[in-house]
Parts: sequence; C-alpha cells; structure tokens
Amino acid sequence: GAVVSQHPSWVICKSGTSVKIECRSLDFQATTMFWYRQFPKQSLMLMATSNEGSKATYEQGVEKDKFLINHASLTLSTLTVTSAHPEDSSFYICSARGGGWRDEQFFGPGTRLTVL
Amino acid sequence: RKEVEQDPGPFNVPEGATVAFNCTYSNSASQSFFWYRQDCRKEPKLLMSVYSSGNEDGRFTAQLNRASQYISLLIRDSKLSDSATYLCVVKGTGNQFYFGTGTSLTVIP
Repeated sequence: GAVVSQHPSWVICKSGTSVKIECRSLDFQATTMFWYRQFPKQSLMLMATSNEGSKATYEQGVEKDKFLINHASLTLSTLTVTSAHPEDSSFYICSARGGGWRDEQFFGPGTRLTVL
Repeated sequence: RKEVEQDPGPFNVPEGATVAFNCTYSNSASQSFFWYRQDCRKEPKLLMSVYSSGNEDGRFTAQLNRASQYISLLIRDSKLSDSATYLCVVKGTGNQFYFGTGTSLTVIP
C-alpha cells in the first residue's frame, strides 16, 4: 500500500491553545484527503473531506471555524484545532486517496490530542 | 437504515479456526468495497479491496454478493496476530465512504 505520515503523533496542550496536525502522502499524490476523529472504543467519525486546492467539505455538526483544514498541495493537508478544549481530546486520523490507486484510502498513524 | 452494518461481535475463536464476518450495505449502486483491520489505538490498515465478485490474499478471502448487498470476509487458519477490529468500508457516490462500526475478533491460544 501507499504511505501516509502524520505529525505530531501525540500532543498535550492547555485549554485555549491551537494545535496544528500535518498529514502527508509520502509516495503518491493525494487528490483527496479525509480527516477523522475517534473516541475510545468508538467508530471512526468523518470530520471533513478536502480536495487539493479547494475548500474542505465538513460533515454535519463539525464546526469549520474550529477545525481549520488546508489542503495546499497534493501531498500535504493540515488540520488546525483552534482554541482547543478538553472535549476536543481525541484520536485524529487522516487518510489520503489518489495516485495510481482507484478508491483505496490509506491512513496516517494518527495524532492523539490531549487538552488539559 | 445505516449505510453499512456489521455485527460488532465480539468473535472469540481458537487458533486455527475459520471465521467469517458479514457486512451489509444499503446503496445498491455501490461499486467499491474494502476491508480494513484496526488494532487498538492504531490507524486502520487496508486488508483487501473488492471491485468485482471477490478477492483472495493468502488466508483471507472477501466475497461480494450484489444481489443480497453484502460483503463477507473469511479468515482461515486464524492466528493470534489476527486479533483486531475489522472494518467494512463501502464507497458510495462521489467521495462518500461509509464505514461500518467494526467487528471485534479475538483469537484464543
């Protein structure tokens, strides 16, 4: 499969700060990237879908002003959690689709965010 | 009705057993189907893609039944390392992907 990296792998921050998470496709050009969050023992929840060079499409209930997504290139998408609060603590995972693959999504290793 | 439904399990099977999971989907126009495995506190990893009737990779076989709108995953000769949650993913129209809630498998020595 293809390789997707995510950075940082974990972060602890104080309430009110902003956190940026990077997602990179290392060996293919990702025309579409997805951002998910997952709470313990729950399913993946899609937050937004982003295509390179265009605005992200957010799922219902996800605040676009709080979760800023930028997909500036075919290998990089960023998610910024603005003014993070303890309830934002979660496992954030990105995935990428594209390159020579048909519909497969390849997931990054995830970022564990803890907001104190 | 949910777009994708899976039996959450848990499935507890002895080593060497054969186990099968089913996943039903609601959109008859779906064309792409995937099985992922997810270990605890890790990201999902692609196990198998199915675009036609099925796919096989070693001990793993996926079968698609379009008439009944389900996709199955068969694991033969289960190993301890197969213990994980197995996610069924179905692609709808456009960029829409629908995830099942996952089926938990524990292989017991």
